[in-house]
Formats: sequence, structure tokens, C-alpha cells
Amino acid sequence: DSGVTQTPKHLITATGQRVTLRCSPRSGDLSVYWYQQSLDQGLQFLIQYYNGEERAKGNILERFSAQQFPDLHSELNLSSLELGDSALYFCASTQGGKAYNEQFFGPGTRLTVL
Amino acid sequence: AQTVTQSQPEMSVQEAETVTLSCTYDTSESDYYLFWYKQPPSRQMILVIRQEAYKQQNATENRFSVNFQKAAKSFSLKISDSQLGDAAMYFCAYRSGSGNTGKLIFGQGTTLQVKP
Repeated sequence: DSGVTQTPKHLITATGQRVTLRCSPRSGDLSVYWYQQSLDQGLQFLIQYYNGEERAKGNILERFSAQQFPDLHSELNLSSLELGDSALYFCASTQGGKAYNEQFFGPGTRLTVL
Repeated sequence: AQTVTQSQPEMSVQEAETVTLSCTYDTSESDYYLFWYKQPPSRQMILVIRQEAYKQQNATENRFSVNFQKAAKSFSLKISDSQLGDAAMYFCAYRSGSGNTGKLIFGQGTTLQVKP
């Protein structure tokens, strides 16, 4: 158990809908990363937050947005869902925001868009 | 931009034997970190081993070791005395040592099958 929690574990929804994925980092970790794992794109970085502020952005679609709240949990919002958004979404956390901090991954949320 | 390439989509090894998974990367940076992650059927991402680019000595963790060739930009993972529990997908990953982000850049993954 990495100490990072993600809810829900599974999510099935229809095209055009909006969903929210939630991540609670390990106690004391200030930085949260979101990654997407799909058959087409592999594992790719979406976005990073550090202590409530956006730190880095990767290949995140405009239909996707994220935020980190004062209690440090983070949410990834996916809207106008398409079939291609079906993927496993991981959250990872670290104590700091830089390279030497080990990232601990949550169990992921499996999103299926029908 | 940095890239990571794993050219072996699938590998297999006999139980108790040794297997090597390949990874190459491309970067113009001198300060970076390299990782191998294991993803078993449960889908949990588990850190196997990490290497700091400034260290010449290859990292080892029990049965897992790496062959880090900085000039060749190669970072292979050797698994000795393979066990059934080693069956998983393995990802090579790169992380820049500069800047304010620790984002990981992953390779495409190698699925390792362990035969009893």
C-alpha cells in the first residue's frame, strides 16, 4: 500500500458526460501528479500540482482540468468524454515537487466510456 | 524533448534464469534520474530501482540490477533468479533533474512472462 488513495476504482459512463476523479496523497506530501495509461498513448503525464498551485502541464486535453485543494487532495475533471478517454488514470504524490523526490502511485481509477 | 524507448514489447524467461530488459533514452540534459517500474496484473505501479545520472556505479536492489551506460544513453534492467512473481509489465522512466517539476516520462513498456 503506497498510502495514496484514489476514488472511485472503476467508473463507467457515456460519451459526452463529465466525471471527477479524486486523489488523496500520502500524509505530508505536497505534490500531486496525474498520469493517464491508455492502449494508444501508453503512460503519459497530464499535470502536476504543488501545494495548491499548478506546477507543470503535460499532454492534457482542454476538456480536462484539475485542481488541488487546501487539504492537498486533488481532483481531475474530465468533460465531454469521448471513447478515446477510456483509460487508467493514476495519481502519484511526493513530498516535494522536484526530481529527487520519489513518487508514490495510487491504485488508479479505471474509466470506461461507452 | 526527452524520450524513452523500450524496444522489446514482450520478453519471456524461465523461472530461476536471468533476463535483461532494454531501455534507451534521449536527452540533452546532464542531470536526470532513471527508473524501472513494475506493473503487475493488479495495475499498481511499483518502483523497482532507480539510478541517478551523476552516479557511475550501477544501482542494485536484491535480484534487480541495472546497466547504466550514460554515453550510449542506455539503461537496461537485469533480473536474476527470476520468480513467478516477477511476471508483470515493466516501464523504464526518465525524470529531469532540473526545473521545478519531477514529472516522469515513460517508455512503452515490456511485458515479462516467467515460465515455470
